[in-house]
Amino acid sequence: DAGVIQSPRHEVTEMGQEVTLRCKPISGHNSLFWYRQTMMRGLELLIYFNNNVPIDDSGMPEDRFSAKMPNASFSTLKIQPSEPRDSAVYFCASSRDGANVLTFGAGSRLTVL
Amino acid sequence: AQSVTQPDIHITVSEGASLELRCNYSYGATPYLFWYVQSPGQGLQLLLKYFSGDTLVQGIKGFEAEFKRSQSSFNLRKPSVHWSDAAEYFCAVGPFNDYKLSFGAGTTVTVRA
Repeated sequence: DAGVIQSPRHEVTEMGQEVTLRCKPISGHNSLFWYRQTMMRGLELLIYFNNNVPIDDSGMPEDRFSAKMPNASFSTLKIQPSEPRDSAVYFCASSRDGANVLTFGAGSRLTVL
Repeated sequence: AQSVTQPDIHITVSEGASLELRCNYSYGATPYLFWYVQSPGQGLQLLLKYFSGDTLVQGIKGFEAEFKRSQSSFNLRKPSVHWSDAAEYFCAVGPFNDYKLSFGAGTTVTVRA
């Protein structure tokens, strides 16, 4: 198995632009998580999907952030418009049945200028 | 509320020396405890986990951790570190088989020759 695949690995954009991060979970995993990692706040759970349905989005910072999971093998995290304070590493992780043994992707490092 | 404290932000060890990383948790019920490792530019990888049974848990890469309920601790150890163990280590706690994990702030390990 190729593991959790995220793209892009690095993104540099200007304030106000739209950013879309992509994730392919491990085949057979029906739970998907988006985390954000910053120096100030550490690892924060943004949103959790189970069977493609958003279960907990209480960690999504504000309306500028949205996440979708149109099918079991693909998810996106979108930031529109982006701001410098969104600069962080965004991780996607997957697991079976919401269990907390997570497999993480390599992350997408976002820099908003 | 659940929380994790990793008291050491940064530890430097010599190659071949032993390593111990501290983790203290706060959790109202029986905790499910994890150690993850993050190598530079990579996602988090599960080292080991504990829920019940023998309080000394063996993980991958020669790591072990000991659960001490009386001290609310789950410290990670390795008898002899290798240069490849240089990474950031995260302790996490959550309910068993539930997605709500809380991560510590991480401990960065530097290995000197």
